[in-house]
Amino acid sequence: EADIYQTPRYLVIGTGKKITLECSQTMGHDKMYWYQQDPGMELHLIHYSYGVNSTEKGDLSSESTVSRIRTEHFPLTLESARPSHTSQYLCASTKGGEAGELFFGEGSRLTVL
Amino acid sequence: GQNIDQPTEMTATEGAIVQINCTYQTSGFNGLFWYQQHAGEAPTFLSYNVLDGLEEKGRFSSFLSRSKGYSYLLLKELQMKDSASYLCAVKDSNYQLIWGAGTKLIIKP
Repeated sequence: EADIYQTPRYLVIGTGKKITLECSQTMGHDKMYWYQQDPGMELHLIHYSYGVNSTEKGDLSSESTVSRIRTEHFPLTLESARPSHTSQYLCASTKGGEAGELFFGEGSRLTVL
Repeated sequence: GQNIDQPTEMTATEGAIVQINCTYQTSGFNGLFWYQQHAGEAPTFLSYNVLDGLEEKGRFSSFLSRSKGYSYLLLKELQMKDSASYLCAVKDSNYQLIWGAGTKLIIKP
């Protein structure tokens, strides 16, 4: 069973608000990822990290930021939410290696009005 | 560009066998993954292929042909709980995962 947790599970907010989606894992994994997924669509990589103080941008990173101050914690922040940010956000981690499988959190479903 | 193609939706009968295909065009290849995702839940790992051939794991098997850019996931003795989306993902030359949109599998009694 995966030990990776996301909060909040569901969030409805107004346009222009700043929000932070939390992600924590207790598996000691160095590599962590944030994905965005819309229904019936592929996962899009937003940000990733290969360890403490290491963060990289993915395909959809321009409107969000992340930090990795501790191995177990990888929060995602939207400075000014817009309706186009309405989506499911999935956090994942892996121990790495060629066959390293991803362990996903339950997801945060965000609705921006 | 990089591309993963899977059928959008498939329907099968409980107890039967179904094959879900995945074709890919990526910049490099460092392995192919299959994940299962039930509605409203997170994806969970099913299989990994990096060499040509068939990998069997219980009722599920995954096949890879690197020369054809092709994989399939074979599900045997289908159960109602197998109703889910099945995601194909390829690790490219930068070791980043490229994801398909998933195949929604509907199991009928």
